Amino acid sequence: DTGVSQDPRHKITKRGQNVTFRCDPISEHNRLYWYRQTLGQGPEFLTYFQNEAQLEKSRLLSDRFSAERPKGSFSTLEIQRTEQGDSAMYLCASSPRLQETQYFGPGTRLLVL
Amino acid sequence: GENVEQHPSTLSVQEGDSAVIKCTYSDSASNYFPWYKQELGKRPQLIIDIRSNVGEKKDQRIAVTLNKTAKHFSLHITETQPEDSAVYFCAVAGGTSYGKLTFGQGTILTVHP
Repeated sequence: DTGVSQDPRHKITKRGQNVTFRCDPISEHNRLYWYRQTLGQGPEFLTYFQNEAQLEKSRLLSDRFSAERPKGSFSTLEIQRTEQGDSAMYLCASSPRLQETQYFGPGTRLLVL
Repeated sequence: GENVEQHPSTLSVQEGDSAVIKCTYSDSASNYFPWYKQELGKRPQLIIDIRSNVGEKKDQRIAVTLNKTAKHFSLHITETQPEDSAVYFCAVAGGTSYGKLTFGQGTILTVHP
């Protein structure tokens, strides 16, 4: 499968724990995006990278959230001290150079108990 | 920031009928307008997109129209089939929100056989 992949697909954690998600974009896509989607809503933008540079962060991204894309390939999203309100689907998308089209991964569903 | 409104929130049609979903946006500098289909538990999948220099685009049974002056765009599905049943999201990018997508709230389309 040459599409965007995410790992894990599901994560259950207890409030206060840290979690980390991984996204592998389509090969040679230089832009990578993270979104959060709650039930019945459209995805909400969190942050995006062009190569290894993080170019924009949403106000939704509190200081408990951090994202990296160290070598301009895969990306990680870490949530520290999780809260029940963090329960959502975390989606990753990637875009090829000079194109706006974003291709989404299958998402990581997080449940914070 | 960009604001996207999508209507209706639910749409029920008989197989073979047409379905129309409308979105309005606020940032007149926005220039990219994709539509995504999301089936239950699956990733959003791009079904059609349009750029601001084009007024209409068709792909088989699916079409999108854009009115830049009024800042709204619509998805048209003709000859609907049960497999068209899903949640449809419009999105907007460009202008002051370059790179990131701002999504509408979604439309649950149900096509009855």
